[in-house]
Amino acid sequence: NAGVTQTPKFRVLKTGQSMTLLCAQDMNHEYMYWYRQDPGMGLRLIHYSVGEGTTAKGEVPDGYNVSRLKKQNFLLGLESAAPSQTSVYFCASSPGWSWELFFGEGSRLTVL
Amino acid sequence: AQSVTQPDIHITVSEGASLELRCNYSYGATPYLFWYVQSPGQGLQLLLKYFSGDTLVQGIKGFEAEFKRSQSSFNLRKPSVHWSDAAEYFCAVSKGGADGLTFGKGTHLIIQP
Repeated sequence: NAGVTQTPKFRVLKTGQSMTLLCAQDMNHEYMYWYRQDPGMGLRLIHYSVGEGTTAKGEVPDGYNVSRLKKQNFLLGLESAAPSQTSVYFCASSPGWSWELFFGEGSRLTVL
Repeated sequence: AQSVTQPDIHITVSEGASLELRCNYSYGATPYLFWYVQSPGQGLQLLLKYFSGDTLVQGIKGFEAEFKRSQSSFNLRKPSVHWSDAAEYFCAVSKGGADGLTFGKGTHLIIQP
């Protein structure tokens, strides 16, 4: 019963470094999402994908890139990390027809 | 664009007391509405959802929510809270497209013994 799995769960970066967060889902869902959660801000959508090979911008896409080369994986990249990107990142997937999101356990990123 | 307001940032309730968490949404058509719960250090778990039909929906863990179109509200209720209900609660809305859910800022629930 893996569901949505995110790696890594914790990461500390220095300003300017790059990294990739990996999200994998085993539910054969078409749609996948990356959100960030900041205190007092709720969850805000960064990017999403409606199928393999597709991506689209969400509410706060600047400074992030994504790729969906395989249906089960959705990668979130930071090319040049900034302290403002310190956050908890959540990946989610959805079958689409129900609009319900299934979430991973989150990845806590700190940028020094 | 749709939006969600959760007016209460923190709520403190005594164990065994009833609970109501408020949620107001802004969306022109009939929205799809959700409540999620997040325990410390965990992801979000779906409590319940409303798509259409009966305006009172039942969820997991003894929670229910009522959709009131006239008030643009979708308040979450539980008749008797348990210490394990202490968590962050998020209301969310979808307009039915692929662009995910729009979340409120959350209500932090504290349970007093």
